[in-house]
Amino acid sequence: AQKVTQAQTEISVVEKEDVTLDCVYETRDTTYYLFWYKQPPSGELVFLIRRNSFDEQNEISGRYSWNFQKSTSSFNFTITASQVVDSAVYFCALSGPYNTDKLIFGTGTRLQVFP
Amino acid sequence: DAGVIQSPRHEVTEMGQEVTLRCKPISGHDYLFWYRQTMMRGLELLIYFNNNVPIDDSGMPEDRFSAKMPNASFSTLKIQPSEPRDSAVYFCASSFQQGLLTGELFFGEGSRLTVL
Repeated sequence: AQKVTQAQTEISVVEKEDVTLDCVYETRDTTYYLFWYKQPPSGELVFLIRRNSFDEQNEISGRYSWNFQKSTSSFNFTITASQVVDSAVYFCALSGPYNTDKLIFGTGTRLQVFP
Repeated sequence: DAGVIQSPRHEVTEMGQEVTLRCKPISGHDYLFWYRQTMMRGLELLIYFNNNVPIDDSGMPEDRFSAKMPNASFSTLKIQPSEPRDSAVYFCASSFQQGLLTGELFFGEGSRLTVL
């Protein structure tokens, strides 16, 4: 069975702090995809990143970076120098390799960045 | 470019009433998904379509829920009769097939349903 665990329900930081959101997944697939989505207060979910299981290189996009470690089944997300606009709920998700596979979401981590 | 468009954004209704939620996917996308988000259960996939055909409706809670996609640019999710436990935010999302690979989903802003 596939499962995504985001153990951190809520995190509060002060602006300019770095923050890491944890994601641990379970799957029996050898090929799979991992995703992060952001849900700002306006409500819509915004795609941030997709990684496939064969690519363990860390990825950096501006202040965002992702650390994928198959050995620990983790796909953690770090925001460097956080800003108030980063306040949102962040979801990690997992899917098998095919379009017929369901996207399984974690329960989300609410990040609050205070000025 | 227009994103996924959902209507209504907010709906308040009384128990027993019929509710219809609407979705217009991104043009050219051949997959459409309906999700429900609640505090208790998080994001749940209800049903998804490929080329207007329902592929997996195993997430639909019960017979009170039905979904249709009469054409590539329109889908509805209907609840009849509605119950207070149906109160949630309902998201529509679309994606396009990238070969056989899983593509990212593009979500609408959601329809917040409150059943009194």
